[in-house]
Amino acid sequence: QQPVQSPQAVILREGEDAVINCSSSKALYSVHWYRQKHGEAPVFLMILLKGGEQKGHEKISASFNEKKQQSSLYLTASQLSYSGTYFCGVLQGAQKLVFGQGTRLTINP
Amino acid sequence: GAVVSQHPSWVICKSGTSVKIECRSLDFQATTMFWYRQFPKQSLMLMATSNEGSKATYEQGVEKDKFLINHASLTLSTLTVTSAHPEDSSFYICSAHPQGGPSLVTDTQYFGPGTRLTVL
Repeated sequence: QQPVQSPQAVILREGEDAVINCSSSKALYSVHWYRQKHGEAPVFLMILLKGGEQKGHEKISASFNEKKQQSSLYLTASQLSYSGTYFCGVLQGAQKLVFGQGTRLTINP
Repeated sequence: GAVVSQHPSWVICKSGTSVKIECRSLDFQATTMFWYRQFPKQSLMLMATSNEGSKATYEQGVEKDKFLINHASLTLSTLTVTSAHPEDSSFYICSAHPQGGPSLVTDTQYFGPGTRLTVL
């Protein structure tokens, strides 16, 4: 089942913070975050694993709440380059990722 | 590390023709490759999972005779859209799951730049 992301869209001024949430109706073992700019492929940001391990981006942080079956991506002091659509992906099976519907982030100067 | 290429980056074809899209992992070997399609302003929808040396696994609703997948090696997978029609126009993206590597996160997938297919 597809994870649910919220909000669907966010508009910020440069320097402001944002939080993007990803919820699943099924038990989560890992959550994968990607950012996609228009017309380009998704770029891997980070992965959060059960047990609290994180791998990936240095300037973007995230949390993983296994009990709530939810992950949140924290974008602090946003830069113009952060604009794009953010997708969370959850594993179904060994390697298959199912992605949320996306959160469109717009950063204005 | 973790560079995935796709070729072509865009293609325009006539209805009824076949189009082949290549997906290559350039600096790592991939145990598994995946093919997605994405319509404008929508999420990525998995079409099939491709494993080297074996038949691809297709998602429900994806016609395997229409979308032929061949995984020739640990670095190459191809998707052929046969007898393409205008409704097949979309952004096709492949991804690869690394077999290993010193600077790679092996628990996730790395995406190619995508191929925009337009069928007239």
